[in-house]
Amino acid sequence: NAGVTQTPKFRILKIGQSMTLQCAQDMNHNYMYWYRQDPGMGLKLIYYSVGAGITDKGEVPNGYNVSRSTTEDFPLRLELAAPSQTSVYFCASRPERVATSAEQFFGPGTRLTVL
Amino acid sequence: RKEVEQDPGPFNVPEGATVAFNCTYSNSASQSFFWYRQDCRKEPKLLMSVYSSGNEDGRFTAQLNRASQYISLLIRDSKLSDSATYLCVVKLNTGFQKLVFGTGTRLLVSP
Repeated sequence: NAGVTQTPKFRILKIGQSMTLQCAQDMNHNYMYWYRQDPGMGLKLIYYSVGAGITDKGEVPNGYNVSRSTTEDFPLRLELAAPSQTSVYFCASRPERVATSAEQFFGPGTRLTVL
Repeated sequence: RKEVEQDPGPFNVPEGATVAFNCTYSNSASQSFFWYRQDCRKEPKLLMSVYSSGNEDGRFTAQLNRASQYISLLIRDSKLSDSATYLCVVKLNTGFQKLVFGTGTRLLVSP
């Protein structure tokens, strides 16, 4: 299993540009999440999904959109990039029911800079 | 007040030392507790869950005090490879398994 994969690893955007951060998992996990991590800050939840066709906002959804057409893929869309969106973006997944753990499996992250 | 608070460190310790990290959480409805490890420029990975009775995994011991809303992690016989940031994580009682992450405590183990 590849686990959770993310592309691209790095990206520089100009203000106002758009891009899609890709996330895929091959573990058949229903739950998927997008986080951002700013320097010296904890991970903040942007959006999450509990299954194909079902998505909802997290703590910091403004400026982002998501879709979940398949169990495997959970892309994150930035429509009008702003410098405040400079961050490291992590995608994570977990199975629907795990008896004793809430472990989330993270992808390697995408480092995004908006200039 | 932050939902999960940690001392950012860094904690600088020599190999073989014992070091302890603390964490406090503000939401009394928090359901489960974890320590994640994050290496520099890498993704977080689960280190261990934290149980009310306390639990141990090799050189790592985690403790939970629900009355004081306090979690701790003790690392004995520190290794160079323990150098990382340790994230205190709380799971809230929501339908989508929301995790709340602390900002992390950085540990540097030197020879």
